Formats: sequence, C-alpha cells, structure tokens
Amino acid sequence: QSALTQPASVSGSPGQSITISCTGTSSDVGGYNYVSWYQQHPGKAPKLMIYDVSNRPSGVSNRFSGSKSGNTASLTISGLQAEDEADYYCSSYTSSSTPVFGGGTKLTVL
Amino acid sequence: EVQLVESGGGLVQPGGSLRLSCAASGFTFSSYWMSWVRQAPGKGLEWVANIKQDGSEKYYVDSVKGRFTISRDNAKNSLYLQMNSLRAEDTAVYYCAREFQAITAYYFDYWGQGTLVTVSS
Repeated sequence: QSALTQPASVSGSPGQSITISCTGTSSDVGGYNYVSWYQQHPGKAPKLMIYDVSNRPSGVSNRFSGSKSGNTASLTISGLQAEDEADYYCSSYTSSSTPVFGGGTKLTVL
Repeated sequence: EVQLVESGGGLVQPGGSLRLSCAASGFTFSSYWMSWVRQAPGKGLEWVANIKQDGSEKYYVDSVKGRFTISRDNAKNSLYLQMNSLRAEDTAVYYCAREFQAITAYYFDYWGQGTLVTVSS
C-alpha cells in the first residue's frame, strides 16, 4: 500500500501546458486502466477530473487530459488558467482490491 | 443532486473513540461501494476504508486495521466509521466518497466536504 509517486510541485505560465506524472508499479498503475485524477483547491473537497486513465467527466474542461505508459500515468493541462492553480492527486486501483493515492502535486500558475 | 454530508468529527484524546457518519442523498445509496478518505493537515489524500453495497465486503488500509470499522445502513442512506484506539497520526479531515466500480471503471465521483478529527491531549 505504498503511495504513488508524484512531483511535489510544477508550475507554468498562463496559456502554457504542463504535465504531472504519477508513477506506480505493475500492481497498480501498470496493471489496470483505473487511474483517476483529482483537483483540490485549498479548504475544498477533491474533484474528479479524469477517470479510467483518459476519460473526462461531464463538465470538466477539455483542457484536461490523461494518459498512461507502463507504470506511469500523466495528467496534462493545456492553456493554463489562473483557476487551475490547485493540488492534484492521482489514484489507482491495486491488486489488493483497494485504491491508492499519489502524494499530490501543487500546481502554481505564474 | 448527489450530496454527501459528514458529521461526528471533533477533539478526542489519544486512545479514545469517535464515530463518524455520512448522510447520502440524491442517488440510490444501496447501489454503490462507499469509501472513507482522510487528509492530515498539510498532507495528501489517504484512502482509509471501503464497503460493498450490501456490507458483505470491507477493506482497510493497514494502519487502521483492527482499530477502525466501516459500516453502512442502507435503510438510512448512511455510512459510518467507528474509530477506536485513536492516535495522534489519525488527526485529519475525513471525507466520505462514493465509488464508481464497474468491469471497466473505478473512481471516486462524489465527495463530501469532510469532517475534522483531532487527536490530542
């Protein structure tokens, strides 16, 4: 039940694109197409942004996209906006039939 | 509209107990797995426990096994977390979250606003 590995922080200027990585093992990220991403603003509850690696829930901007290669999943945000500044967490289903989260990445919009 | 409202948090001494509740509305509660996820102050999200639709399967993170018990009452549309032998490291905001599980899907699609549990003497 080790947490997935995310960079502690990333930053970008408005209009740019950034990518956040999420590295696990063959027992979680690499073994299932069940990676999801959550956005959390300070003092707020997490919000689902991407599910099952690359699917966007209704209402989430198409500036958000997800992908996976091997044991690493990625969240890309294009056309950065000030409102995108938040913490982002990945999550994956695991071979223990339980989920695991990443340590979180703080996105700063410069 | 799906709503999840947690309650029951507060200040408790180390070794003490607390019972959290989550009131669900806006969906057929008995059709979904449910989870508790916590977040220590300034830290990341940590999944704590989940429970199957009929309560027949329950899973826990290693750090709470034997101390925490997840349960549900489908007649009352409510989820619970009984927390015993609390430790300082259990201090966190506890979120109730709905799981979407299917053959080709797994994610948390709705979250409550959280309830703060503080373990301190």
